[in-house]
Amino acid sequence: QVQLVQSGAEVKKPGASVKVSCKASGYSFTNSDINWVRQATGQGLEWMGWMNPDSGKTGYAQKFQDRVTMTRNTSIGTAYMELSSLDSDDTAVYYCVRTTTFVTPFDYWGQGTQVTVSS
Amino acid sequence: SYVLTQPPSVSVAPTKTAKITCGGNNIGANSVHWYQQKAGQAPILVISYDGDRPSGIPERFSGSNSGNTATLTISRVEAGDEADYYCQLWDTSSVVFGGGTRLTVL
Repeated sequence: QVQLVQSGAEVKKPGASVKVSCKASGYSFTNSDINWVRQATGQGLEWMGWMNPDSGKTGYAQKFQDRVTMTRNTSIGTAYMELSSLDSDDTAVYYCVRTTTFVTPFDYWGQGTQVTVSS
Repeated sequence: SYVLTQPPSVSVAPTKTAKITCGGNNIGANSVHWYQQKAGQAPILVISYDGDRPSGIPERFSGSNSGNTATLTISRVEAGDEADYYCQLWDTSSVVFGGGTRLTVL
């Protein structure tokens, strides 16, 4: 069965960077895109961007364009999302999510990674 | 940028029908997907491409999309349907989520 397993919770200081991993299993890692979505406590879902694991091509939401980097290691079937220049507004649960390609729905979600930014 | 508007909350009694709307400019020209998120859990896909049900989703869940409104309908509502529901679509090369609707089962 398809599974996306994310790395554990992180606590970071303002100005630091965080890198969250997402290990895929149960399907061919390079045949589907990986998206990242975040959710602050009590708030809605916010899309951050996508990555094609086969080509490495990425597309970022304008809000995060200057601060986010999405990468992958195809040999271990793992995607990464790094967010820099953290501030308290970045405190949220971060999800990796699979889509087949553009327009397709988010069919499998990781369990989420809590990132807390605090001095 | 494209905006999707959902009511913040909808309340319904058990066994009744709940309708959750998602408004957007000419949304009927796009494919809309719906997600259910229960407290403390990751979202799950409940309706794809306006009205398709993924495997494992009860037939009580249905969807429609026309004009400026997409609608998620939950028939014979159960206590276990209490959750937040989000609509979503792709706008050019980016993703838009609605603000979410909290479904309360009375």
